[in-house]
Amino acid sequence: GIQVEQSPPDLILQEGANSTLRCNFSDSVNNLQWFHQNPWGQLINLFYIPSGTKQNGRLSATTVATERYSLLYISSSQTTDSGVYFCAVGLSGANSKLTFGKGITLSVRP
Amino acid sequence: DAMVIQNPRYQVTQFGKPVTLSCSQTLNHNVMYWYQQKSSQAPKLLFHYYDKDFNNEADTPDNFQSRRPNTSFCFLDIRSPGLGDAAMYLCATSRDHGSSYEQYFGPGTRLTVT
Repeated sequence: GIQVEQSPPDLILQEGANSTLRCNFSDSVNNLQWFHQNPWGQLINLFYIPSGTKQNGRLSATTVATERYSLLYISSSQTTDSGVYFCAVGLSGANSKLTFGKGITLSVRP
Repeated sequence: DAMVIQNPRYQVTQFGKPVTLSCSQTLNHNVMYWYQQKSSQAPKLLFHYYDKDFNNEADTPDNFQSRRPNTSFCFLDIRSPGLGDAAMYLCATSRDHGSSYEQYFGPGTRLTVT
């Protein structure tokens, strides 16, 4: 199956700092999503980005499908950005399932 | 707003006592998934329905079963819960078509086994 690696595993930031989270995957995919898991356990969709670049406020993401990696950028971090960030990849069709990385635990300190 | 709904949000069951978790969606998506997430781990797919077709993951225990009576609802049945089945159970949906395969998750049901 597809392997997904996220780095770094843990990240501690001072409020206002910028950060880059990385996701490497082992095979071609049709689906790549970034999630933020909140303290109550819900997975919040950040980006659906199998290729290209997207931006949403202070967050942006880039996926280079040919090189099998994706980056999530957080600018001007806030304490509310703390939590676990998951990258998940998958295929389409009848075998459509997401394989998750182990996640990156982000702590933003005031 | 269109959404994925899971009930209950918290469920406590006794060791060996069958339990059913439910998921409903107003997105009219044709694919529904059940993931299990144990503490400090990534979500792991148990099975999914592609339309009416059931797809079980090879390593999903026989103790876990699912039903999808119609497009909107999907149930997860745990026949004889063990202590190791305590986890967050996440339901997700997607519409499989040519331009997007994005999955949307419900808030989850946190299962405790006593």
